[in-house]
Amino acid sequence: EVQLVESGGGLVQPGGSLRLSCAASGFTFSSYWMHWVRQAPGKGLVWVSYIKSDGGDTKYADSVKGRYTISRDNAKNMLYLQMNSLRADDTAVYYCARDVYMGFDHWGQGTPVTVSS
Amino acid sequence: EIVMTQSPATLSVSPGERATLSCRASQSVATSLAWYQQNPGQAPRVLIYGASARATGIPARFSGSGSGTEFTLTISSLQSEDFATYYCHQYNNWPYTFGQGTKLEIK
Repeated sequence: EVQLVESGGGLVQPGGSLRLSCAASGFTFSSYWMHWVRQAPGKGLVWVSYIKSDGGDTKYADSVKGRYTISRDNAKNMLYLQMNSLRADDTAVYYCARDVYMGFDHWGQGTPVTVSS
Repeated sequence: EIVMTQSPATLSVSPGERATLSCRASQSVATSLAWYQQNPGQAPRVLIYGASARATGIPARFSGSGSGTEFTLTISSLQSEDFATYYCHQYNNWPYTFGQGTKLEIK
């Protein structure tokens, strides 16, 4: 069974940092592109970042470029999102999702991030 | 950036009736379009890939159509579990983008 489990969310002050993790199981993690998608309270889904299966390519939404870094450890079946210089508008539930080249077929349950003083 | 516009924002339909949700792209995305269903407090679930292919385990009452810039998700006979929020998603161009969602509510 495919499982994606996020962790690392929490309350952080503006300007602070957090590192989110996504533990993957039940599939060959190293074969899949992976993404982070976020959802602010009461709002819609927003794509955040992508990483290629071998980690050799990454992309970011303009709103997080230069502040967030996506990475992966295929030996550990782990996806990460390093978030720096956090702002109030980064407050959201962050989901990791598996890309099957036709959309995202599996999503984690999400980890909440709150940026507030 | 491709802007995905969903309409209506809220759709009120009675159980057993048909629901038709629309999604328009600001430029062509070919058939690189997926639909997701999301219930409150839960992660999204994929319904449709490639504009019209049902994902594994998705009931036949869900169907997708369209190409280019105009897409439709149809639910033929609404069941109680179908009342949720639906999002379209284009994966043809970077950055990937989602529509703002259509909330399907019980009439």
